[in-house]
Amino acid sequence: QKEVEQNSGPLSVPEGAIASLNCTYSDRGSQSFFWYRQYSGKSPELIMSIYSNGDKEDGRFTAQLNKASQYVSLLIRDSQPSDSATYLCAVGAGGGADGLTFGKGTHLIIQP
Amino acid sequence: GAGVSQTPSNKVTEKGKYVELRCDPISGHTALYWYRQSLGQGPEFLIYFQGTGAADDSGLPNDRFFAVRPEGSVSTLKIQRTERGDSAVYLCASSLGGVTEAFFGQGTRLTVV
Repeated sequence: QKEVEQNSGPLSVPEGAIASLNCTYSDRGSQSFFWYRQYSGKSPELIMSIYSNGDKEDGRFTAQLNKASQYVSLLIRDSQPSDSATYLCAVGAGGGADGLTFGKGTHLIIQP
Repeated sequence: GAGVSQTPSNKVTEKGKYVELRCDPISGHTALYWYRQSLGQGPEFLIYFQGTGAADDSGLPNDRFFAVRPEGSVSTLKIQRTERGDSAVYLCASSLGGVTEAFFGQGTRLTVV
């Protein structure tokens, strides 16, 4: 049974600070890792993908992957109220043979 | 189209009825996925198509659920003898295939009364 664990929150962060979201996964063979943002009543929106160990930066977002520890994180710099949403961590097996396994999501609140 | 399109946006049906949910993927995307999301949960994988064939249907909860993609583009998720527990948002996603990024449609909210 593949599992993806996230702290459900809410995680409250002051505007302008760094928000740090974490995720662990159980399947050591996983090879693809994604972060989705989901606003209330909307569908998930892809914001980051990462496939190899280390950091990947895109604008204010940085994804970090540590396969040895089976750990993925997302950092959001200069947090804005519009970043308030649920952030879903998703993990895929190698070769794209099946769908993604999602965590339950972390509810992030950016306080103005 | 520019994005993944799902119809209808909302569907209310009576317990025991049959429903069909449609997904039109991003043009050129060969991989198509169906997920189901209940309140407070992450999306739950149902089935994955690569082209016309179901490459992985291990997430379908029982034989009341079936999906097709006859021409490798539009897909239909079919639910027979609906139950109240089937109420959820059904999400479709598509990708170029392989280990690549998947993009979601707006979902179909199914309510079984």
